Amino acid sequence: NAGVTQTPKFRVLKTGQSMTLLCAQDMNHEYMYWYRQDPGMGLRLIHYSVGEGTTAKGEVPDGYNVSRLKKQNFLLGLESAAPSQTSVYFCASSYNLALGELFFGEGSRLTVL
Amino acid sequence: GENVEQHPSTLSVQEGDSAVIKCTYSDSASNYFPWYKQELGKRPQLIIDIRSNVGEKKDQRIAVTLNKTAKHFSLHITETQPEDSAVYFCAAKQNTGNQFYFGTGTSLTVIP
Repeated sequence: NAGVTQTPKFRVLKTGQSMTLLCAQDMNHEYMYWYRQDPGMGLRLIHYSVGEGTTAKGEVPDGYNVSRLKKQNFLLGLESAAPSQTSVYFCASSYNLALGELFFGEGSRLTVL
Repeated sequence: GENVEQHPSTLSVQEGDSAVIKCTYSDSASNYFPWYKQELGKRPQLIIDIRSNVGEKKDQRIAVTLNKTAKHFSLHITETQPEDSAVYFCAAKQNTGNQFYFGTGTSLTVIP
């Protein structure tokens, strides 16, 4: 039981390049989230999904796209990376909204030059 | 949407002393308030939570209090130990809402 797994863990991009972060969970959770963590700004929600085939925007969705084709996977895409997207990205999942506990992945550190 | 403010941003205490971190929220519909601990280079992990029908909850050396009227909640750590050093995040959520709203974090350092 691996919990929530993110790949890659580190990546360096040049401005304008694209990439996809993969989040996989093996807990059969319905809800999945992508956050970014920046110094002094806490965890900010980028996009989330309440089930397979659904996605919704969070607080800071601009410049990102997501897909949830399979229940266990939640992909975060950057179509044209910008230096402002340099951050640590965390994926999280939750069994249901009432219980509430978020299970986080280990994080992915992205640097855009 | 909800706005969660967290104070202080940094906190240093001597080992054995108590530490208190405070959060305020703006949306009176929020009724679930978790606290997450993030050790350096690690993922955030839930350490304690409280729901709006409860005023206080304790788990060994940590406790959380909630004042719904004033819209604030606090994390209390007693008899602090070096392993308590970490960044702590508070959050708020409506029971039927999809989003967690996080505070900006408090970096706690426990000095041996």
